[in-house]
Amino acid sequence: DQQVKQNSPSLSVQEGRISILNCDYTNSMFDYFLWYKKYPAEGPTFLISISSIKDKNEDGRFTVFLNKSAKHLSLHIVPSQPGDSAVYFCAASARYGGATNKLIFGTGTLLAVQP
Amino acid sequence: GAGVSQSPSNKVTEKGKDVELRCDPISGHTALYWYRQRLGQGLEFLIYFQGNSAPDKSGLPSDRFSAERTGESVSTLTIQRTQQEDSAVYLCASSLGDREYGYTFGSGTRLTVV
Repeated sequence: DQQVKQNSPSLSVQEGRISILNCDYTNSMFDYFLWYKKYPAEGPTFLISISSIKDKNEDGRFTVFLNKSAKHLSLHIVPSQPGDSAVYFCAASARYGGATNKLIFGTGTLLAVQP
Repeated sequence: GAGVSQSPSNKVTEKGKDVELRCDPISGHTALYWYRQRLGQGLEFLIYFQGNSAPDKSGLPSDRFSAERTGESVSTLTIQRTQQEDSAVYLCASSLGDREYGYTFGSGTRLTVV
């Protein structure tokens, strides 16, 4: 039962253009969402997050959009840079009465930014 | 320490042997998590520690897997009688428990069972 889905295993964009990575979830109890970035042979690193009380959060070149009715979120990177090439994971958590902050991850999208 | 440290970084073991994977979290981080990533798959939750207790072990795939944490610091994940399907990157993460900043992950231990 894949509660967090990233249906695009890979994405290729030109340097300077916008990268849009998508994520869908099924569990309506999820109320916090995060994006992680992972380079080969390294652990994932936190990129940006959004609470379900918001529909947008922006940090520099990175913006996350949340559409709760569609159970969909997306990460926009603009302008894309070659150093952004990595695997991007979407993650979600639900607070069930003070629970674990356990994150459920998607399968990742490999972004390649072409110079 | 400055980050989450995991050891060994790579481990090759024969099927049927036991292995121990170690995680040193960031000092002061009360929450510690173990995940694994099998080839071509996402990160799969294994176990969560709050202090030295494990309120959520729901992701441990079988009774061959166990983990402990001592001194609210170091954690060890033990896999007994390893099988080839245990081959994966095992990732440890720690956090202060505040969801706004997610977790900090280590670089992982790549386990290969031959």
